[in-house]
Amino acid sequence: GQSLEQPSEVTAVEGAIVQINCTYQTSGFYGLSWYQQHDGGAPTFLSYNALDGLEETGRFSSFLSRSDSYGYLLLQELQMKDSASYFCAVTLDSNYQLIWGAGTKLIIKP
Amino acid sequence: GAVVSQHPSWVICKSGTSVKIECRSLDFQATTMFWYRQFPKQSLMLMATSNEGSKATYEQGVEKDKFLINHASLTLSTLTVTSAHPEDSSFYICSARGGSSAYEQYFGPGTRLTVT
Repeated sequence: GQSLEQPSEVTAVEGAIVQINCTYQTSGFYGLSWYQQHDGGAPTFLSYNALDGLEETGRFSSFLSRSDSYGYLLLQELQMKDSASYFCAVTLDSNYQLIWGAGTKLIIKP
Repeated sequence: GAVVSQHPSWVICKSGTSVKIECRSLDFQATTMFWYRQFPKQSLMLMATSNEGSKATYEQGVEKDKFLINHASLTLSTLTVTSAHPEDSSFYICSARGGSSAYEQYFGPGTRLTVT
């Protein structure tokens, strides 16, 4: 079967840094994506890692270690608007189907 | 760029009726479209994958006769929930790929279906 594990909830303070981890066990692997979803809204793409290492996009960074089947999303200089659910998702094959983690609810306190 | 629209944004229907949800890629040609279902505070569950001009591929446990998917053009896919029942009430989201990024999926705003 396919499985992705990520924490169900993380709490952080405005202005701080938070890391959301994701471990996966899947039958195939093309890459690891991260999506953000605000309550009642649709997911929006944040990042994609196909190779090992760190990808940085503004305040957000994403890391992948294929040998460890592990990745993380790093959010810096947290803002209240970053309060949302964050999903990791594995691209399984060339059809680019995504297998989703259960999501991590990020709660930011002032 | 890479905008996906979904219509309607919400719908209430009576048990036994059918509901059609449209998903359109507005500024790119979608080689593949995906349909998801999401329950409150849960993850997205992939229902089916559709490529333009071919039959959709349904995930295990998804009834293809109940959830009819048509991908008639490179910019339009439809999901029809036939003979809807209250347990079909959910948030249905479509996504599309085919923009400038090969791996990124662009999501529609979702359709909230309530079956009474």
